Amino acid sequence: QKEVEQNSGPLSVPEGAIASLNCTYSDRGSQSFFWYRQYSGKSPELIMSIYSNGDKEDGRFTAQLNKASQYVSLLIRDSQPSDSATYLCAASSSGGSYIPTFGRGTSLIVHP
Amino acid sequence: DVKVTQSSRYLVKRTGEKVFLECVQDMDHENMFWYRQDPGLGLRLIYFSYDVKMKEKGDIPEGYSVSREKKERFSLILESASTNQTSMYLCASSPGVRTEAFFGQGTRLTVV
Repeated sequence: QKEVEQNSGPLSVPEGAIASLNCTYSDRGSQSFFWYRQYSGKSPELIMSIYSNGDKEDGRFTAQLNKASQYVSLLIRDSQPSDSATYLCAASSSGGSYIPTFGRGTSLIVHP
Repeated sequence: DVKVTQSSRYLVKRTGEKVFLECVQDMDHENMFWYRQDPGLGLRLIYFSYDVKMKEKGDIPEGYSVSREKKERFSLILESASTNQTSMYLCASSPGVRTEAFFGQGTRLTVV
């Protein structure tokens, strides 16, 4: 069973701090990784995709991938209360799979 | 921008009714998915389709069927709605293998 694991949280950080969200995956052959943000009662919204080892930055967001450790993380700099949401990590399976595997998400609370 | 549109945001149906949930995407994506999301259980895949008229069962297909007669449209059918099918239903599409998925706004279905 291919799995993506996330700590459910909640992760609580003060406004302006860096929030660090982590994710591990079991399928060593996974090649594509995605972070989604989901506000309460809403659908998941794609934030970032990452395919290669290392860091990828987009505004206040940085995704980090370490395939050797099977580890993906999302850093949110200068966290804002509007960043409070559940963050879902997803990994594509190896081979010719069409289906991403989702983690259950980490709840982030940014308090003023 | 990719747009995935679900026919209803909220729906209330009676036990035993046949329920149709419609999903349309406007980006010529090959793959379409139906998930349900329940608190603490994360996203669970019901069915997916990788081509017109092609469908595959996901993790929880029991009590559901799907139809994909046109590339842009993927319908989820609850043959005889039951109260344990009360949930948030999410449709998604993706362009190909190991690519990111884009979600519709979700349908919150209540079966009474």
